[in-house]
Amino acid sequence: GDSVTQMEGPVTLSEEAFLTINCTYTATGYPSLFWYVQYPGEGLQLLLKATKADDKGSNKGFEATYRKETTSFHLEKGSVQVSDSAVYFCALTPGGTYKYIFGTGTRLKVLA
Amino acid sequence: DTGVSQNPRHKITKRGQNVTFRCDPISEHNRLYWYRQTLGQGPEFLTYFQNEAQLEKSRLLSDRFSAERPKGSFSTLEIQRTEQGDSAMYLCASSWNDRAEQYFGPGTRLTVT
Repeated sequence: GDSVTQMEGPVTLSEEAFLTINCTYTATGYPSLFWYVQYPGEGLQLLLKATKADDKGSNKGFEATYRKETTSFHLEKGSVQVSDSAVYFCALTPGGTYKYIFGTGTRLKVLA
Repeated sequence: DTGVSQNPRHKITKRGQNVTFRCDPISEHNRLYWYRQTLGQGPEFLTYFQNEAQLEKSRLLSDRFSAERPKGSFSTLEIQRTEQGDSAMYLCASSWNDRAEQYFGPGTRLTVT
């Protein structure tokens, strides 16, 4: 069935370091892909999305490119800040449905 | 735009009791979703509505769970005869027509003792 696999955390980085959080997926059809972020004590917030192959989603310095050939949607940021410390979830909506399938989440800790 | 709201935010109940949660979506959104999230895991889909019609239910949604959206606005999720395994965060989300992105509420944390 459809699924999302994320790299396990926690990921610990120093401020201004480069961030990559890996996400790969298995899906039939043509899914849409998303990254959500959950800050401590808060709800899930949409970070970025991509709805078709080769699309690049971007927001707040974060980017992810929909790679159909490698079934991946890796999240990247060039220079992380302490305020980026949160749990990041990769998700997809399988073609023909609207429900999300989430990965298990990756906790990011950024140290000053 | 006041966002998705959920009530209560926290619920502690004893095993065997019934509980009901409410979700108010963003006002113009016609789709509403329920998810369950346990500690250290991503949210798992439970069910979703388009207007008042319940269009899909997960196998996770046992017979003890029922959800309604009677007038296509707010929704309720009821759990009957709660079990300790029902302890989780219950999340509601909404979306508009063919827009894929969903907007999540803060969740209701259920603890079954």
